[in-house]
Amino acid sequence: DTGVSQDPRHKITKRGQNVTFRCDPISEHNRLYWYRQTLGQGPEFLTYFQNEAQLEKSRLLSDRFSAERPKGSFSTLEIQRTEQGDSAMYLCASSLGQGPPQRGNTIYFGEGSWLTVV
Amino acid sequence: LAKTTQPISMDSYEGQEVNITCSHNNIATNDYITWYQQFPSQGPRFIIQGYKTKVTNEVASLFIPADRKSSTLSLPRVSLSDTAVYYCLVGDNSGNTPLVFGKGTRLSVIA
Repeated sequence: DTGVSQDPRHKITKRGQNVTFRCDPISEHNRLYWYRQTLGQGPEFLTYFQNEAQLEKSRLLSDRFSAERPKGSFSTLEIQRTEQGDSAMYLCASSLGQGPPQRGNTIYFGEGSWLTVV
Repeated sequence: LAKTTQPISMDSYEGQEVNITCSHNNIATNDYITWYQQFPSQGPRFIIQGYKTKVTNEVASLFIPADRKSSTLSLPRVSLSDTAVYYCLVGDNSGNTPLVFGKGTRLSVIA
C-alpha cells in the first residue's frame, strides 16, 4: 500500500508524559499536513509543511506541540507534557503541492493515530 | 475561507440513491469542491472533486450548478457499508490554504 502511513495507530499514555507520532506521506508528495479530530467533530487543522519548511501553524498548536519534517519526507508530531484534553485522533495527510488548477490538489489522509491520555 | 453548510444527518434505505447537498455561498473563483467520506476510527477518504457542472467516478457523482453556490453529492444504490460521515469542503487546491472541515453529514443506511 502506498498511502499515507501513520505510526503508532494507538497510544495510551499517562498525563504528563511525552508522545511522538510519525507520518510517512505518499511518495513524492511535498505537502504534509497534521490535523486533530475529537469525537463528533470534523478534523481540525494543526500545521502543514512544504518539503521541510513548516509554512503554517494553527492557534490550536500550543507550545507543547512540535512538528518536524527534517528531510522533507516523513514527519513527526511530538506532544510534551500531555494533558487529558490532548486525547484525540491525530491525522496526517499529504498532497502533491502546487500544480495546475485544473488538476486539483487532492489531499490524502492516513488512518490516524489515536491518543488516549489517562 | 469559504464556509460550507450541509445537513447534520440523513437516513436512507439500502438500494436507494442518496443526495447530500452542500451550500457554499462564498465560494471563490479558484475554489474546488471536494467531498470526503469518513468511517469511525479511520481517516477521511477522498471521494470526488469538481469545479463545475458534473463529475462522475466509480463511487459517486458530483453536481455543481452554474453559480457554484451549492453542490450535490449523489451516491447511487447505497449499501450498509456506505454508512459514514460525509464532508464537503471548498478550497483553492493550491495547497497554500489547508482544507477546513465542518461537522459533515452523518449518513445512516438502513437495511
